[in-house]
Amino acid sequence: QVQVVESGGGVVQPGRSLRLSCAASGFTFSSYVMHWVRQAPGKGLEWVALIWNDGNEKHYADSVKGRFTISRDNSNNTLYLQMNSLRAEDTALYYCARESDAFDVWGQGTMVTVSS
Amino acid sequence: QAGLTQPPSVSKGLRQTATLTCIGNSNNVGNQGAAWLQQHQGHPPKLLSYRNNNRPSGISERLSASRSGNTASLTITGLQPEDEADYYCSAWDSTLSEWVFGGGTKLTVL
Repeated sequence: QVQVVESGGGVVQPGRSLRLSCAASGFTFSSYVMHWVRQAPGKGLEWVALIWNDGNEKHYADSVKGRFTISRDNSNNTLYLQMNSLRAEDTALYYCARESDAFDVWGQGTMVTVSS
Repeated sequence: QAGLTQPPSVSKGLRQTATLTCIGNSNNVGNQGAAWLQQHQGHPPKLLSYRNNNRPSGISERLSASRSGNTASLTITGLQPEDEADYYCSAWDSTLSEWVFGGGTKLTVL
């Protein structure tokens, strides 16, 4: 079935880095724009970044611009989010989402906690 | 990140009708319309509608979305206990080149 599965979350100190992965299956990954969306504990959804299906265009939320990098490997059906210079306010559940007119497929998320 | 505006909470009785609103501007909601997502506690969001009133397969016909100018609305008729959840609107902002979300509305079914 169509699904995406995130991994790579954990507890990290402020200023350190972490890389999240999102494994896609059940659909032609290379045909879709993909996103990262996060949700801080008890808070609403916040869009983080998107990458075009061919990887040629990327967009970021101002809150992560210059610190986070989205990328993809279409040969391995995997989406990535490289997170550098992490801050306490980056603590959240990070979701990978497929875009088909809107966010139509979501994973269960992977939790990132930034704390000393 | 400029967000969309949603009321924090709405309460309605069983089998009543709830209308949730989402206010944006001409660069986002007023441009390409809004998508609506439902999120139950402890679960990922689920897409309910996109581009104002296109429903993915499997979404109840009790749900309908619309737009008037820069305001999007989601109407749920015949409220059921399972409709109690958080509802988010979202839209692509053509000026910011970002997707923006509303802060979410917690729908309580009394």
